[in-house]
Amino acid sequence: RKEVEQDPGPFNVPEGATVAFNCTYSNSASQSFFWYRQDCRKEPKLLMSVYSSGNEDGRFTAQLNRASQYISLLIRDSKLSDSATYLCVARGGATNKLIFGTGTLLAVQP
Amino acid sequence: DTAVSQTPKYLVTQMGNDKSIKCEQNLGHDTMYWYKQDSKKFLKIMFSYNNKELIINETVPNRFSPKSPDKAHLNLHINSLELGDSAVYFCASSQERYEQFFGPGTRLTVL
Repeated sequence: RKEVEQDPGPFNVPEGATVAFNCTYSNSASQSFFWYRQDCRKEPKLLMSVYSSGNEDGRFTAQLNRASQYISLLIRDSKLSDSATYLCVARGGATNKLIFGTGTLLAVQP
Repeated sequence: DTAVSQTPKYLVTQMGNDKSIKCEQNLGHDTMYWYKQDSKKFLKIMFSYNNKELIINETVPNRFSPKSPDKAHLNLHINSLELGDSAVYFCASSQERYEQFFGPGTRLTVL
């Protein structure tokens, strides 16, 4: 079982839709969590950090539930440009090691 | 202008060869990393150096040897390449435990 698990998708949604991605992690010692975005044949880029209190950045909302070891990302009013793979990431320990999920592919349709 | 750069971008080689991938960052970061992304798009850490000192060394065959000549460079040398080494290799850098910035990747194909 992978340390960080995600539904691989693909999620095919129309423009303007709201879409939610879920992620679970198995290592309760994980300290920090992130969502990264990876476009096709490009490098991963940090989308947002995830805080226990929940946090929002424009159309994007991230939530963390430490008790359930569950992380979510909500995208409202989807744009064509949101089409990408979304990677759930956990970090723990002294070495800043990032543990990536397998990613969820989002395809926003016109 | 490029923050984290890698060379080459593409590398096609025969089984058994030895090859190197170079990484440079101009962000002034003190920590650099190598990740491997396999054909199923799974991204996994291989190595990390902090101020030229190896701090992460995952379960990677010893055919892979990272070398950090200075804080701005982290190279990856691979001996006796195998088919299973075909993947995209990403270099990344960060300042301590802050955000990691990734390079554009090197797509390695072993024939």
